Amino acid sequence: DADVTQTPRNRITKTGKRIMLECSQTKGHDRMYWYRQDPGLGLQLIYYSFDVKDINKGEISDGYSVSRQAQAKFSLSLESAIPNQTALYFCATSDSGHQETQYFGPGTRLLVL
Amino acid sequence: TQLLEQSPQFLSIQEGENLTVYCNSSSVFSSLQWYRQEPGEGPVLLVTVVTGGEVKKLKRLTFQFGDARKDSSLHITAAQPGDTGLYLCAGARRNTGFQKLVFGTGTRLLVSP
Repeated sequence: DADVTQTPRNRITKTGKRIMLECSQTKGHDRMYWYRQDPGLGLQLIYYSFDVKDINKGEISDGYSVSRQAQAKFSLSLESAIPNQTALYFCATSDSGHQETQYFGPGTRLLVL
Repeated sequence: TQLLEQSPQFLSIQEGENLTVYCNSSSVFSSLQWYRQEPGEGPVLLVTVVTGGEVKKLKRLTFQFGDARKDSSLHITAAQPGDTGLYLCAGARRNTGFQKLVFGTGTRLLVSP
């Protein structure tokens, strides 16, 4: 089984709809992240969480919110989706060791019409 | 603001050729990571370089961190079709208790048989 899973893998929604992307991990890591990937822009950090009670905004948090329901679960919500939120979304986890290697999920491809 | 520029953006070569991908920045990083991403999957860490001037080898892949820790290169010798993918560099900045990754723009490599 994959260590970091994301659901759904693909989603098409309409402008103005609220949607939630979910991430679960079995690695036992404290730290979890949400990124979006756009062609030619690499990955940009949306939100990150050090533990259940610690959530922080990343570079591009406007229009997004997150919830850390448990150590293993971190969900990303788009309160009112807009077309420029069409992108590939990745969840990642890391431990708090020196190198803090990040392990990525398989991604969710989101299309906002 | 994109702090890490990768070049080239696209590279299409024949099996057996050599290639170099560059990752450049005006900022100093505490370490530099290289990832490979295949279609439908998240990025997977290949290597982390930490010391200025450091060279690491992973089979046919050679990674170098610049002396000033602002740039890095990835050299592939005798490329194979299995090397096809998106290569991402990521610079790490360590804030208090947190290592933030700044991702490069990506280099898409296609190796044809």
